[in-house]
Amino acid sequence: GESVGLHLPTLSVQEGDNSIINCAYSNSASDYFIWYKQESGKGPQFIIDIRSNMDKRQGQRVTVLLNKTVKHLSLQIAATQPGDSAVYFCADYGGSQGNLIFGKGTKLSVKP
Amino acid sequence: GAGVSQSPSNKVTEKGKDVELRCDPISGHTALYWYRQSLGQGLEFLIYFQGNSAPDKSGLPSDRFSAERTGGSVSTLTIQRTQQEDSAVYLCASRYRGSFNSPLHFGNGTRLTVT
Repeated sequence: GESVGLHLPTLSVQEGDNSIINCAYSNSASDYFIWYKQESGKGPQFIIDIRSNMDKRQGQRVTVLLNKTVKHLSLQIAATQPGDSAVYFCADYGGSQGNLIFGKGTKLSVKP
Repeated sequence: GAGVSQSPSNKVTEKGKDVELRCDPISGHTALYWYRQSLGQGLEFLIYFQGNSAPDKSGLPSDRFSAERTGGSVSTLTIQRTQQEDSAVYLCASRYRGSFNSPLHFGNGTRLTVT
């Protein structure tokens, strides 16, 4: 079956360093990927998305990289700040426009 | 603008009681989703409404769970005869479903505790 999973459940970085959060997916038909940030007590918040016809997309301090050959995507956060501390999820629709499938998440902790 | 609104934000109920959770999606969004999130876990899909089509109920864990969406807008998730394992955060999300995929926009959830 299709799945979206994460390589590391937790990540601890020093404030100011760059963070990289990885995600693997299994459905080769997946053509659209989303990264969400979830802070304690809140719902997931959209960060950035990427379509399968792109390898890279940049936002404000965030970059998503997509490697379709190995079915892997990553979220890079530049100059990580304490406010970036949260759980990060990758998600995709599995090639359809129906149910959005989430991985278990990576908890990012930023040390001052 | 206004985001997805869910109520109540917290609900404590006794085992065996019924509960209703409400979701007000973003105006104009055609698709509405319910997910469940247990402590420290990812999001588990429950049900999905798209326009006037029959809902995708494939994620509902048992027949004690049901949902409806009235007038293509507000949705209510009902859990009958609640069990302790139903304790979780129930998240609602909506999006405008057009020709291309788009992200879901989530509310802050209802934290359900069954005692």
